[in-house]
Amino acid sequence: EDQVTQSPEALRLQEGESSSLNCSYTVSGLRGLFWYRQDPGKGPEFLFTLYSAGEEKEKERLKATLTKKESFLHITAPKPEDSATYLCAVQAASNTGKLIFGQGTTLQVKP
Amino acid sequence: NAGVTQTPKFRVLKTGQSMTLLCAQDMNHEYMYWYRQDPGMGLRLIHYSVGEGTTAKGEVPDGYNVSRLKKQNFLLGLESAAPSQTSVYFCASSYGASGGWKNEQFFGPGTRLTVL
Repeated sequence: EDQVTQSPEALRLQEGESSSLNCSYTVSGLRGLFWYRQDPGKGPEFLFTLYSAGEEKEKERLKATLTKKESFLHITAPKPEDSATYLCAVQAASNTGKLIFGQGTTLQVKP
Repeated sequence: NAGVTQTPKFRVLKTGQSMTLLCAQDMNHEYMYWYRQDPGMGLRLIHYSVGEGTTAKGEVPDGYNVSRLKKQNFLLGLESAAPSQTSVYFCASSYGASGGWKNEQFFGPGTRLTVL
């Protein structure tokens, strides 16, 4: 069964304190792994897509990496505006179009 | 472009009442999806559509029906609402499942539904 597990559930950081969020997955043929950001009361906002092990993508203070079993979202020198819930999702080659989401990591960055 | 829009934003129903949630996208996307989001459960797929006139079941389809009469619209119906359907509902759309970089789904702002 295709499955996505994110850890930790919640993370508190001081402004400038770098850290990483983990997304572990089991899927029957990975078509893509997606990272989204969700602010309270809003819909998920697309951040990155990763397609193959070893791939990396960056956007401002965020960097996403992918291995055959997990993905990391690295946050370098975070700011309070980075506070949000970060969602990871996988798309299996066998499930056309459908995403399987993890439960998310809620990040709080204190000034 | 407005992207993905959802109507209404909030709704309170009594058990047994019916309602329809409307999703509209102006990006000419082929695929559209309905999810529900509950605390501790993450986003779960209810139904999806791979093109105008098509629909398919997702992970949690029971108690819901959908229709895709026009490419830009995807309707989610609750025929007889139950308290277990209290949730936040999100619509999403994407270019399609094939290909690479066009696979990402774009989400609407959500509809918060309470069933009493």
